[in-house]
Amino acid sequence: AQKVTQAQTEISVVEKEDVTLDCVYETRDTTYYLFWYKQPPSGELVFLIRRNSFDEQNEISGRYSWNFQKSTSSFNFTITASQVVDSAVYFCALWGADGLTFGKGTHLIIQP
Amino acid sequence: GAGVSQSPRYKVAKRGQDVALRCDPISGHVSLFWYQQALGQGPEFLTYFQNEAQLDKSGLPSDRFFAERPEGSVSTLKIQRTQQEDSAVYLCASSLVPGRYGYTFGSGTRLTVV
Repeated sequence: AQKVTQAQTEISVVEKEDVTLDCVYETRDTTYYLFWYKQPPSGELVFLIRRNSFDEQNEISGRYSWNFQKSTSSFNFTITASQVVDSAVYFCALWGADGLTFGKGTHLIIQP
Repeated sequence: GAGVSQSPRYKVAKRGQDVALRCDPISGHVSLFWYQQALGQGPEFLTYFQNEAQLDKSGLPSDRFFAERPEGSVSTLKIQRTQQEDSAVYLCASSLVPGRYGYTFGSGTRLTVV
């Protein structure tokens, strides 16, 4: 069975600091997709990024960047120069033969 | 519609009561998913539809849970004889092609069983 582990339950940083959210996954599939979602207090899951298992290129989108390393089965998410509006719960997820499986999430608190 | 719409937004049910939660997916999305999210946890898969066919219901926790999508668009998740452990946020998501295009989630229905 596939599994996603987000070891950091909660992270608190001061605004403008950089922060990295860790994600480690397990799967026997050779083809799979990895996702990050943001869940603000309103509750909706907001899609941030999708990567397929054959594309290990890192990606940068504004202050967000993602580091996908198959060798360590990790898909980490970094926010540069964090802002209070980044405060939310962030979920890493894997889509494979068992469908879409989420980690337990990391609650990110950005203090002003 | 522009996004996935779920109703009601909040539902309080007395233990033993039946509830029905509605999901209106993005127009044209053939795949529809239901997830259950307990407090402080990640979403857990309940069931999956492709058009009107329920292809996977392995995540439904008991036979009190039932989902349908009779015309391949709107879906209803029904919980019979609710119990306190059913209290959670129920999220609906739709997708053109699962995996490849990701899922679009609704805002969820927060169910509280008292």
